[in-house]
Amino acid sequence: EVQLLESGGGLVQPGGSLRLSCAASGFTFSSYAMSWVRQAPGKGLEWVSAISGSGGSTYYADSVKGRFTISRDNSKNTLYVQMNSLRAEDTAVYYCAKSFSGDHLADVFDIWGQGTMVTVSS
Amino acid sequence: DIQMTQSPSSLSACVGDRVTIICRASQSIRRYLNWYQQKPGKAPKLLISAASSLESGVPSRFSGSGSGTDFSLTINSLQPEDFATYYCQQSDSIPITFGQGTRLEIK
Repeated sequence: EVQLLESGGGLVQPGGSLRLSCAASGFTFSSYAMSWVRQAPGKGLEWVSAISGSGGSTYYADSVKGRFTISRDNSKNTLYVQMNSLRAEDTAVYYCAKSFSGDHLADVFDIWGQGTMVTVSS
Repeated sequence: DIQMTQSPSSLSACVGDRVTIICRASQSIRRYLNWYQQKPGKAPKLLISAASSLESGVPSRFSGSGSGTDFSLTINSLQPEDFATYYCQQSDSIPITFGQGTRLEIK
């Protein structure tokens, strides 16, 4: 079964840092681009970042550029996002999502994790 | 960035009704338009990709159409499990963008 499982969320103070992980199983992880998508409480979906299958190409939304870093460890089938300089507006459920078409960064997301909540508050 | 605008933002309907949700892109996205369903506390679920390609396991009462800038999602004969929030998403270019969502409620 194809599955994504996020972890690492929690409560952090403004200006703090957090690293989220997404463990993948059931597919050839290195063959697929992956993304992070977030959803603030009661709000819509916002794409955050994407990474190619090799990890050699990365893209970010303007709202997180310079503060978030996406990465992956294909030997561990795990996707990461390092979040620094966190702000109250980063409070959201963070989902990892698998690209449908392989190593295509702008893509439809066919598999989503269950999400992990990040709360930025003092 | 490509802006995605959905209408309506919310919609009330009865079981058995037919409803249509519209999604408009700020520039042509060819047919790179996808639809997701999200229920409270759950991750989004892919319903339709490439404007009209129904995902495996999705009931045939769901259908999508459109190309360029104008797209629609139609649900025929609404079932109780269809009441949820629906999002469109463009996958034509980075940054990927979503519509603001359409909340479908029971009348």
